[in-house]
Amino acid sequence: NAGVTQTPKFQVLKTGQSMTLQCAQDMNHNSMYWYRQDPGMGLRLIYYSASEGTTDKGEVPNGYNVSRLNKREFSLRLESAAPSQTSVYFCASRTGLAEAFFGQGTRLTVV
Amino acid sequence: AQTVTQSQPEMSVQEAETVTLSCTYDTSESDYYLFWYKQPPSRQMILVIRQEAYKQQNATENRFSVNFQKAAKSFSLKISDSQLGDAAMYFCAFTSNFGNEKLTFGTGTRLTIIP
Repeated sequence: NAGVTQTPKFQVLKTGQSMTLQCAQDMNHNSMYWYRQDPGMGLRLIYYSASEGTTDKGEVPNGYNVSRLNKREFSLRLESAAPSQTSVYFCASRTGLAEAFFGQGTRLTVV
Repeated sequence: AQTVTQSQPEMSVQEAETVTLSCTYDTSESDYYLFWYKQPPSRQMILVIRQEAYKQQNATENRFSVNFQKAAKSFSLKISDSQLGDAAMYFCAFTSNFGNEKLTFGTGTRLTIIP
C-alpha cells in the first residue's frame, strides 16, 4: 500500500524556472493538501482541495497554482520560482476529519 | 481564522522522565478535532494522538496522553518514560467540523532526549 506518493524527492531550480510537484494517493481520500515547511515556521498550508474539482487557498498561496486532476492526484505548480520558495513541500490526504497521511516530502532549492 | 500556537520551540528531557509539550488554539467553533504529529529526522509525519472536542475524556496512546482543556483552548501532550526514539519535532494540529476541511498546524516543538 503506497499511501501518498510525492515526486520528485529533491529538486534544484534556477530563479524564474517553472516546475510541477506531483502528488498521488491510493487511499480513496476526498481531501488533499499542499504544505511548505520552513525552519521555525511549522507547516504552512499553501492550497487544499476538499473534493475532486474544488481547490481553496491556504495561508501562503502566492506564487503557486494547483490542480486537482482527479480524486487521486493533486499537483502544485511554481510558474516562476523564487529563492523565497526554497523549502520542503509536503502533500497530504485524508477523508473527513480523520488523520491526514503525508508524503515523504520534496526538498526544493531555488538558486 | 483558526490559529494554533506552540510556544516552546525546543524542549529537552532526560531519558525515562516525563515531558509536557504545550499547544493552544483559537477558534470560535465548538466541534473540532485536535492532533499531535511527530516528525523524526526521516521527515515522515506520524500521527501520535487525536482528540475529539466533544469528548471530555483525555485521549491516551500508550506512553502518550493529552490534557485537553476546552474552555482554555489548550491541548498539551505528555510523554511518559521518554525514550531516545521520541526525539523529533512535534506538531499540534487543528481541524474543525464546520466543513471546510482545512487542517492547521502549529510551528512545532523540537524535543531532545538526553541519555
